Amino acid sequence: DAKTTQPPSMDCAEGRAANLPCNHSTISGNEYVYWYRQIHSQGPQYIIHGLKNNETNEMASLIITEDRKSSTLILPHATLRDTAVYYCIVRVRDRGGSQGNLIFGKGTKLSVKP
Amino acid sequence: DVKVTQSSRYLVKRTGEKVFLECVQDMDHENMFWYRQDPGLGLRLIYFSYDVKMKEKGDIPEGYSVSREKKERFSLILESASTNQTSMYLCASIPHGSGANVLTFGAGSRLTVL
Repeated sequence: DAKTTQPPSMDCAEGRAANLPCNHSTISGNEYVYWYRQIHSQGPQYIIHGLKNNETNEMASLIITEDRKSSTLILPHATLRDTAVYYCIVRVRDRGGSQGNLIFGKGTKLSVKP
Repeated sequence: DVKVTQSSRYLVKRTGEKVFLECVQDMDHENMFWYRQDPGLGLRLIYFSYDVKMKEKGDIPEGYSVSREKKERFSLILESASTNQTSMYLCASIPHGSGANVLTFGAGSRLTVL
């Protein structure tokens, strides 16, 4: 099962900020939070990741709460091309100590509307 | 940029046929993954591999096998395709290392089994 909980869908007006929440209450101290998005019929695209501190890149900002049990992805000025399913993922480690797979939940379907 | 290439974007096969889905990555990543994605179910892990000739079952390995003879290539095999294997198949890769590494996906292969 996915270790994250996200709302199934959200709407956002074009040009406004889109704030996508994610709960990961069982996250471990060495696990990162990743965000990906998937535009219809394409492979998932990496957006941003973080461990403890807030992060920002050219695509988005990631705000992680102090207790690390939840986070918010912020698209500062959403465009129609940002319409996609957004996945919040916590990175797990496998039995062998090597890097494990990312467990994807069902994500949030963000619809940006004119 | 890391590139993950899936050999076929769209395939149509008949029930009982043997199907090969090929995935190649060009950044010397140790870890490679095969997922399938179905509406309402999100991404589900089929198999993954930590290194050449190494493989581990994911969440839904039944009906599938994999081959990792070379580091850059990870093949998914459907020995006898069935209609319930109609799906979008996604390959991904990531290097060994810290949790901060980014999983990179291919564009996907949409398989239809008639």
